[in-house]
Amino acid sequence: QSALTQPASVSGSPGQSITISCAGSSSDVGGYNYVSWFQQHPGKAPKLIIYDVTKRPSGVSNRLSGSKSGNTASLTISGLQAEDEADYYCCSHTAYNTAIFGGGTKVTVL
Amino acid sequence: QVQLVQSGAEVAKTGASVRVSCKPSEYTFASYTIHWVRQAPGQGLEWLGWVNGGSGGTFHSQKFQGRGTFTRDTSATTAYMELYSLTSEDTAIYYCTRQAELGPMFDPWGQGTLVTVSS
Repeated sequence: QSALTQPASVSGSPGQSITISCAGSSSDVGGYNYVSWFQQHPGKAPKLIIYDVTKRPSGVSNRLSGSKSGNTASLTISGLQAEDEADYYCCSHTAYNTAIFGGGTKVTVL
Repeated sequence: QVQLVQSGAEVAKTGASVRVSCKPSEYTFASYTIHWVRQAPGQGLEWLGWVNGGSGGTFHSQKFQGRGTFTRDTSATTAYMELYSLTSEDTAIYYCTRQAELGPMFDPWGQGTLVTVSS
């Protein structure tokens, strides 16, 4: 099973909004409302920032938001800040409580 | 705040086996499923499979099938991942993470265990 498709890199200036796409299929992203997003800073473990497509865990900034249309999920970061510079991974539920990750997107704050 | 504490870094020879442990700091171990994820140097995240803390049931990704085993020790409230017949491609950081709800609601994550395979 191939990884979900994410752009390798996305960049933006402070204060701008950026969107990261995560393309899958009807067997994963399109088939379930169970898409999560993870933020990973260098040398650190991933951190859950979005789950169930749109929900934010307690303590996660409301500048981060998730959405889905068909087989593609998206993560939007509004009001880009230096601390947002990190790698971002989408992850979708698939059959039998399995999961599949995207290839990851490096976000650069210019 | 719940934490998952993993065992320390491992160096293993090609063809050998390695076991990584994952111990939650505080929660009802049997109520959750532990997933395992790895990350090769400079690469993305790869899902490997899971072990149910209560039943001990497991599921492996196709790539991991036959190469590794997930177990749990309910008395010690610890989950384990064992990987066999190691190759250089298994060099990676291995993470355990707790599944809080149905779907990939993986939170928290362990600190990661670096497994280095050398000949």
